[in-house]
Amino acid sequence: GQQLNQSPQSMFIQEGEDVSMNCTSSSIFNTWLWYKQEPGEGPVLLIALYKAGELTSNGRLTAQFGITRKDSFLNISASIPSDVGIYFCAGRDSGGGADGLTFGKGTHLIIQP
Amino acid sequence: DGGITQSPKYLFRKEGQNVTLSCEQNLNHDAMYWYRQDPGQGLRLIYYSQIVNDFQKGDIAEGYSVSREKKESFPLTVTSAQKNPTAFYLCASSNGGSEETQYFGPGTRLLVL
Repeated sequence: GQQLNQSPQSMFIQEGEDVSMNCTSSSIFNTWLWYKQEPGEGPVLLIALYKAGELTSNGRLTAQFGITRKDSFLNISASIPSDVGIYFCAGRDSGGGADGLTFGKGTHLIIQP
Repeated sequence: DGGITQSPKYLFRKEGQNVTLSCEQNLNHDAMYWYRQDPGQGLRLIYYSQIVNDFQKGDIAEGYSVSREKKESFPLTVTSAQKNPTAFYLCASSNGGSEETQYFGPGTRLLVL
């Protein structure tokens, strides 16, 4: 089946820095979703992307659906302590299978004050 | 409030015991999913259901069972056949369609005594 490579695996940054993470797939996707998960909680949807080239913002977060339809990135500007968590990308391939999303393994974001 | 609820938050299982995890949604979504999350891992699909009275095995269905008697409810039973049940279990539901978005519940952590 399709695979998602999410990088980096973890990030140690200073408060106020910008953050960038990305996901690449082995097949063409028609949906990209970005989630944030805090310890002991379920993932919360941050941004949803449905069209190649689409660039969408949610506050300090910006995500883009790559024009090749095989990648997506998430940027966080001016990081703050509450940005700490695990960020997951998820996607659905163009085959439109009914078996849910494919998930990346997550990027652990750690912010040093 | 609209959303997905899971109960209990924590669940302890004794050897040889079956336990059932509850998932309820009031989003009027047709599709529901169960995922397993292990430390440092992405989400792995256990079972999914696209419509009431129908469900399909995901990637790691062995040792688990589900039912979908009502649109709002998709309980997961972890049977004694599941030899390594300790994990964080996440339920999700989806609105389907061309702009599908999947929403998650808060999760249930299952521990073996």
